[in-house]
Amino acid sequence: EVRLVQSGTEVKKSGESLKISCQASGYSFTAYWIAWVRQMPGKGLEWMGIIYPYDSDTRYSPSFQGQVTISADKSMTTAFLQWSSLKASDTAMYYCARPGYSDSDFDLWGQGTLVTVSS
Amino acid sequence: QSALTQPPFVSAAPGQKVTISCSGTSSNIGKNYVSWYQQVPGTAPKLLIYDNNRRPSGIPDRFSGSKSGTSATLGITGLQTGDEADYYCGTRDSSLNIVVFGGGTKVTVL
Repeated sequence: EVRLVQSGTEVKKSGESLKISCQASGYSFTAYWIAWVRQMPGKGLEWMGIIYPYDSDTRYSPSFQGQVTISADKSMTTAFLQWSSLKASDTAMYYCARPGYSDSDFDLWGQGTLVTVSS
Repeated sequence: QSALTQPPFVSAAPGQKVTISCSGTSSNIGKNYVSWYQQVPGTAPKLLIYDNNRRPSGIPDRFSGSKSGTSATLGITGLQTGDEADYYCGTRDSSLNIVVFGGGTKVTVL
């Protein structure tokens, strides 16, 4: 079965670091880009950035550049999203998603990781 | 403020048709394919339409997409209670080199 499985809910304090994961299975991990998408409480979808696991080519939205780091480990078939210093405004649901038809059509989504940051 | 503009709410009775508009610019919708997603509350988004009007396997033909100039439209016919969800359009912005989404439209079945 083709799937993306994300790590579990996180509850953190402002200033702490965090790394969440997205493990791919059922397809060639290095053949597809993987994106991260933020959804703040009650709000819409925001594209954060994308990585090509084959060579770790990474692109960021200007809104998230410098705020997060996207990485991937081919041996683990896993993509990561990390913060070095969380803020309360990072509280959101984070989804990983795979573009299947083009680089902007996401046909496969993880179940989401809820990150709650208290001040 | 989302890059793509959608109406916040649409509603119709069961069996009726709704359309959801998505307005963009020459650098996003005007240059690129549009996709549409359905998000039932508490779940991840699901791809309904890609390349403006193509349906992934398993998506019923009650869902349709179209694009003209810098706008796109999602149509849902034969509305069902299970169609109650938030719907998002998305596309690439060639100037910013990012993917952008609309703010979402909540569909209510009366």
